[in-house]
Amino acid sequence: EVQLVESGGGLVKPGGSLRLSCAASGFDFSTCSMNWVRQAPGKGLEWVSSITSISSYMYYADSVKGRFTVSRDNAKNSLFLQMNSLRVEDTAVYYCAGAPVGDYFDLWGQGTLVTVSS
Amino acid sequence: DIQVTQSPSTLSASVGDRVTITCRASQRISPWLAWYQQKPGKAPKLLIYEASTLESGVPSRFSGSGSGTEFTLTISSLQPDDFATYYCQQYDTYWTFGQGTKVEIK
Repeated sequence: EVQLVESGGGLVKPGGSLRLSCAASGFDFSTCSMNWVRQAPGKGLEWVSSITSISSYMYYADSVKGRFTVSRDNAKNSLFLQMNSLRVEDTAVYYCAGAPVGDYFDLWGQGTLVTVSS
Repeated sequence: DIQVTQSPSTLSASVGDRVTITCRASQRISPWLAWYQQKPGKAPKLLIYEASTLESGVPSRFSGSGSGTEFTLTISSLQPDDFATYYCQQYDTYWTFGQGTKVEIK
């Protein structure tokens, strides 16, 4: 069974840091581009970051560039998102999403909630 | 950056209705457009990619069409399970989601 399981969310103060993880199973993670997508409470979907299969390229939305860093460990089938200098507006459910074939997102985790508040 | 505008933002419909949602991109993206369905508290689910290709396991009442900058998601006969929010996404240059269309019961 294909699974993506996010972890690491929680409550953090503005200016703080958090590291999200996404554990993958049931598919060939090492050949799959991976992505982070977030959804603020009651709002729509926002693409955050992407990383190619062997970490050759990383891409970021302007809203997080310079503050967030995406990485992966193919030996451990894991995706990460290091989030620094967090802002109130970063509050959202963060989903990891896989793109095993094209650049669209076939595979989704259940999401992890990040709350930035003082 | 490529902007994606979805309409309408809310749609009231009845079971059995034909439903159409439109997505317009700020520049040509054809065919790099996907459609997703999201239910409350759940992750999005891929319905259609490359503008018109139905994802495996998705009911045939869903269809996608369009080219260039204008695309459409059609549900031919709305079923109770289809009441949800739908998003388009361009993946021509980076990734951008539309604002979403909530399909609610009339």
